[in-house]
Amino acid sequence: EDQVTQSPEALRLQEGESSSLNCSYTVSGLRGLFWYRQDPGKGPEFLFTLYSAGEEKEKERLKATLTKKESFLHITAPKPEDSATYLCAVQPGGQGGSEKLVFGKGTKLTVNP
Amino acid sequence: DVKVTQSSRYLVKRTGEKVFLECVQDMDHENMFWYRQDPGLGLRLIYFSYDVKMKEKGDIPEGYSVSREKKERFSLILESASTNQTSMYLCASSLGALMNTEAFFGQGTRLTVV
Repeated sequence: EDQVTQSPEALRLQEGESSSLNCSYTVSGLRGLFWYRQDPGKGPEFLFTLYSAGEEKEKERLKATLTKKESFLHITAPKPEDSATYLCAVQPGGQGGSEKLVFGKGTKLTVNP
Repeated sequence: DVKVTQSSRYLVKRTGEKVFLECVQDMDHENMFWYRQDPGLGLRLIYFSYDVKMKEKGDIPEGYSVSREKKERFSLILESASTNQTSMYLCASSLGALMNTEAFFGQGTRLTVV
């Protein structure tokens, strides 16, 4: 069964304190791994797609990396406006690959000023 | 920019009512999805559609149906609303190509069934 586990469930940082969020996955072939940001009461906002191990993507203070078993979302010198829930999702591939995404339950990040 | 628009931000319906949630995307995407999101359970797929008039059940289709008569529009129908269908409903669309498979979400509809 395809599965995505995110850790930690919640993370509190001081402004400027860098850290990483983890997304580990078990999937039958990987077509893509996706990171989203979700603010309270809103729909998820797309951040990154990673397709193969070793790939990295960056956007402002965020950097996503991918290995064969997990992905990390590194947050460098975070600001209070980075506070949100970060969701990881995978798209299974291989034989019978699907258009469906399998989501983790998210990491709620709070950055204190 | 891709835009996915859900018809309502908030809805309050009575038990037993038939409820329609509408979603429109403006980027000619092949795939459209309906998820529900509940605290502690994450996003769960209800139904998705990969073409006009085509649909597939997701993980929790019971009590729901869908309609896709036009490529840009995907409707979620609660045949007889129940209190356990109180939730945040999210619509998404994706291109459907081999690459560029990321899904884009609407702003969500918070449905309360009383």
